[in-house]
Amino acid sequence: NAGVTQTPKFQVLKTGQSMTLQCAQDMNHEYMSWYRQDPGMGLRLIHYSVGAGITDQGEVPNGYNVSRSTTEDFPLRLLSAAPSQTSVYFCASSYGAPSSGANVLTFGAGSRLTVL
Amino acid sequence: DQQVKQNSPSLSVQEGRISILNCDYTNSMFDYFLWYKKYPAEGPTFLISISSIKDKNEDGRFTVFLNKSAKHLSLHIVPSQPGDSAVYFCAASDEGGSEKLVFGKGTKLTVNP
Repeated sequence: NAGVTQTPKFQVLKTGQSMTLQCAQDMNHEYMSWYRQDPGMGLRLIHYSVGAGITDQGEVPNGYNVSRSTTEDFPLRLLSAAPSQTSVYFCASSYGAPSSGANVLTFGAGSRLTVL
Repeated sequence: DQQVKQNSPSLSVQEGRISILNCDYTNSMFDYFLWYKKYPAEGPTFLISISSIKDKNEDGRFTVFLNKSAKHLSLHIVPSQPGDSAVYFCAASDEGGSEKLVFGKGTKLTVNP
């Protein structure tokens, strides 16, 4: 199994450009989410989806759009990139932990985005 | 306001000794707590979790302790190994085990040979 696959791994944009970060999972997980990680800030939730056709906002949704047309794919769109969106982006999908019942996120390897 | 706090940005221990990573939280509605480990240029990987109805969960060298009255949890790694050197994130979820995790800022653990 590939798990959670993110593309591209690296991207440099100019202010105002648009782009889409791709995320795909092959584990048939219903829940998927996007986080961003900034130095000294931990991971913050951008958007999430509990299933195909259903999306909702997380803690820091401004400047980002998402859609979920299939169970496997959950792309993150930046419509007009800003330097404040320079970050490392992680996509994740969820499964249940046998030992505690917690929903465990499986993360992709990340996409490092720089906006000039 | 930060709901999950890891007040130690870094920790250094000798190989074979115990590593103790701490985490405090403010939201009494959190139901589950998880620890993730992250190596550079990789995504976080799940380590261990605990439900709020328990005070201890063990998995091999890793044990998580939860003190609900103090809103504090800790991760113990015994014995520590150089391969354990990574950033460790504490995370919490509410709403009956929601997948929406709130993360701390992380603690960088260095295990010296």
